[in-house]
Amino acid sequence: SQQGEEDPQALSIQEGENATMNCSYKTSINNLQWYRQNSGRGLVHLILIRSNEREKHSGRLRVTLDTSKKSSSLLITASRAADTASYFCATDAVHGGSQGNLIFGKGTKLSVKP
Amino acid sequence: KAGVTQTPRYLIKTRGQQVTLSCSPISGHRSVSWYQQTPGQGLQFLFEYFSETQRNKGNFPGRFSGRQFSNSRSEMNVSTLELGDSALYLCASSWDRNYGYTFGSGTRLTVV
Repeated sequence: SQQGEEDPQALSIQEGENATMNCSYKTSINNLQWYRQNSGRGLVHLILIRSNEREKHSGRLRVTLDTSKKSSSLLITASRAADTASYFCATDAVHGGSQGNLIFGKGTKLSVKP
Repeated sequence: KAGVTQTPRYLIKTRGQQVTLSCSPISGHRSVSWYQQTPGQGLQFLFEYFSETQRNKGNFPGRFSGRQFSNSRSEMNVSTLELGDSALYLCASSWDRNYGYTFGSGTRLTVV
């Protein structure tokens, strides 16, 4: 079953604008990860935030995590046409020794227009 | 360093046949996971191997199986293919679950 749910499902912006995607999840987590996928190809790992962290930056990416609300957000600043892709959050859940099992949301499809 | 390599990239099979997909992880990564991606169900976890042992398994029928070799390379096998098995199959490797996963480009399987 899907644990992460991204919002919005689709987002269309102009180059240079910021893009914000949100993710909600259901159970306790070890960490939450964001991935990008270009048109049916492999996933690219963007950033990982641990359950005891609240905010993390990587280049133009900023991720926040609120474990009390079981939610995360991904902000892409100064977006470029090359950022056009689907973005997925994935949770590494804490449950009974289960490992290597990322639970993905359905993703946000971002379109950045030049 | 080389990324995660999946072969073949594309595959067309007939219902009832079986198929084997291959994944070579990043050197030094001992954990290999497999995922199925379809438009309807999204990304779903199949199984995870670590040091040749299956550590975790998703909710898929027994027709889906896998294994890992001593060099960490992994294969997954789907027997008695069904039309619904058409999907992008992704392999991911990791050194440690707390550092994220590196995915391969996937194998796109079409069952006709």
